[in-house]
Amino acid sequence: QVQLQESGPGLVKPSQTLSLTCTVSGDSISTGDYYWSWIRQYPGKGLEWIGYIFYTGSTYSNPSLKSRVTMSLDTSKNQFSLRLNSMTAADTAVYYCARSLGDSWGQGTLVTVSS
Amino acid sequence: DIQMTQSPSSLSASVGDRVTITCRASQAIRNDLGWYQQKPGKAPKRLIYAAFNLQSGVPSRFSGSGSGTEFTLTISSLQPEDFATYYCLQHNTNPYSFGQGTTLEIK
Repeated sequence: QVQLQESGPGLVKPSQTLSLTCTVSGDSISTGDYYWSWIRQYPGKGLEWIGYIFYTGSTYSNPSLKSRVTMSLDTSKNQFSLRLNSMTAADTAVYYCARSLGDSWGQGTLVTVSS
Repeated sequence: DIQMTQSPSSLSASVGDRVTITCRASQAIRNDLGWYQQKPGKAPKRLIYAAFNLQSGVPSRFSGSGSGTEFTLTISSLQPEDFATYYCLQHNTNPYSFGQGTTLEIK
């Protein structure tokens, strides 16, 4: 059974870059059967699809985030990562990683943006 | 971007009731829609994919229907563990988008 686990800082200062990693077990991110997604949930409970990455390294990110998002894969560690730069208080949310359309999710990690 | 509108935003019901939640898309999305259940402090859990397909392990009291712009999630007989928040997600057109959620509360 596939499991996903997010890791990264819980607190980020305004203007800094958030870096999160999702470690996948029970499945290989390099087989091409799935793509690997990032989703966030605001404190008011709304959900936003951030983007996803294919095993080839090709990515899609939500235009609402403009060019702030970078996603990458580390197949040697079976991990994929999210970087979100120029963080503001509006980016405070629980960040989830998921497989494809969310048939499996990580537990989520709360990221707070504050000085 | 495609807007997903769920109704109602909240719903009070009793164990054993049949409940229906609706999701409307601002444009046609074929059957590219999923339904998710979220309990407090937990990640969402997918219940339905491709509008009407039951995710493995999900009880058969959950069902989905619809195509195009209007979709429904039905719970045929509410169980205590079903009280949660439900979201729809369209994946027809990027950026993918969620409905605002329906909170199902115990009456």
